[in-house]
Amino acid sequence: SQQGEEDPQALSIQEGENATMNCSYKTSINNLQWYRQNSGRGLVHLILIRSNEREKHSGRLRVTLDTSKKSSSLLITASRAADTASYFCATALSGTYKYIFGTGTRLKVLA
Amino acid sequence: NAGVTQTPKFQVLKTGQSMTLQCAQDMNHEYMSWYRQDPGMGLRLIHYSVGAGITDQGEVPNGYNVSRSTTEDFPLRLLSAAPSQTSVYFCASSYSDLTFYNSPLHFGNGTRLTVT
Repeated sequence: SQQGEEDPQALSIQEGENATMNCSYKTSINNLQWYRQNSGRGLVHLILIRSNEREKHSGRLRVTLDTSKKSSSLLITASRAADTASYFCATALSGTYKYIFGTGTRLKVLA
Repeated sequence: NAGVTQTPKFQVLKTGQSMTLQCAQDMNHEYMSWYRQDPGMGLRLIHYSVGAGITDQGEVPNGYNVSRSTTEDFPLRLLSAAPSQTSVYFCASSYSDLTFYNSPLHFGNGTRLTVT
C-alpha cells in the first residue's frame, strides 16, 4: 500500500495549547496537503506545501516538509474547541493525478 | 456556489444489488475523483478522471465502474454490491491543468453505504 501514516492516531489537549501532528509518506511527491474533517462531513482543505518548500504558514497553522525524511508536520497554535476534528495529510504522487491520504489524527480540544 | 454535491446521503443495499452514487460539481473542474473511507484506513482512491471521456483507476478500483460524459458529473457504479463495499464514499474535484499541483481538492459531504 502507498498509504501514508500519521501520528499520533489521537490527541487530546486543553484549549489554548498547541497541537502537533505528523505525517510520513512513502514515494516521491509533488505537493503535500493537509485537510480537516469534522464528524460526518467531507474534508476541508487547510494548507498546501510544494515539494520544494520547507515551511509554510496560514493563520494559526504551520506546516513543515522534509522530503529527505519523507515527512511533514502540522502545528496548530492556540487551539480552540472548534479545532476538534480529524486531520489528514495527502500527497500528490509525482507525475500522476493520484492523491494518497494518510490514516488521520483525531484531535480533541477540551474547553 | 453549491460546490461538490453527492447523492444520496445514505443508502442500504442487499448483496448483489447494483446502484449508482452521484457526484456533481459546478466549479468547472476537469479533475474528479472517488474515494472510500473506512475506519482506521483514511481515504483510498477508487477512480479518477481528468476530463470528459477520460477515466483511470486508483488504488482500490475492483468492484466499481465509472464514466465521465460531462465535465460536471462523475457517477460511481457498483454493479454487484458486496458487504466489503460498506463504507463512506467521497467525491472530490479540482483543476487538472498546469495548476493541478497547486490546487486543493474540493470534497462533497459523502454517501454512507451499507451492504447487508
